Amino acid sequence: NAGVTQTPKFRILKIGQSMTLQCTQDMNHNYMYWYRQDPGMGLKLIYYSVGAGITDKGEVPNGYNVSRSTTEDFPLRLELAAPSQTSVYFCASKRQGDSNQPQHFGDGTRLSIL
Amino acid sequence: DQQVKQNSPSLSVQEGRISILNCDYTNSMFDYFLWYKKYPAEGPTFLISISSIKDKNEDGRFTVFLNKSAKHLSLHIVPSQPGDSAVYFCAASGFDNSDKLIFGTGTRLQVFP
Repeated sequence: NAGVTQTPKFRILKIGQSMTLQCTQDMNHNYMYWYRQDPGMGLKLIYYSVGAGITDKGEVPNGYNVSRSTTEDFPLRLELAAPSQTSVYFCASKRQGDSNQPQHFGDGTRLSIL
Repeated sequence: DQQVKQNSPSLSVQEGRISILNCDYTNSMFDYFLWYKKYPAEGPTFLISISSIKDKNEDGRFTVFLNKSAKHLSLHIVPSQPGDSAVYFCAASGFDNSDKLIFGTGTRLQVFP
């Protein structure tokens, strides 16, 4: 089982460029999440989705967009990259309907905006 | 406002001894707590969890204790091993139906021989 797969692993962007961070899971999980982790900090929720076609904002959504057209994929879009978006981004998924099941995380995308 | 706090950024423990990692929370609506372990360049890996209806959960060398009145939980690792060296995150959820997690800032555990 691949679990949660994130691509790319590393990326350097120039200010103002755009990119999409890819996330796919093969566990048939309905719930998916995007977090960012800044140095010395915990993970903060950017966006989440409880199913295909349903997305909602988390704690730090500004500067990002998401879509959820399939159960498997949950891409995160940066439209106008800013230095403040330099971070490590983690995607996670979990089974719906069982709050006592943990979220499963990908290995992250390390993004630098210069 | 930090709803989940890990006040110790780092902890150093000798191999074979007990490691105790602490976590405090402020939101009484949280009803499910988790500990994740994270190695460099990897994603967080689920370690152990506890529901608010319990005060203890044990899995091998790992035990989590929950004190609801104090809004405090702790992770005990005994005996500690060098492979336990990692960053440990406490997380909480349960305040809505999305199962979103609120994370603490993490504690870096170093287990030395």
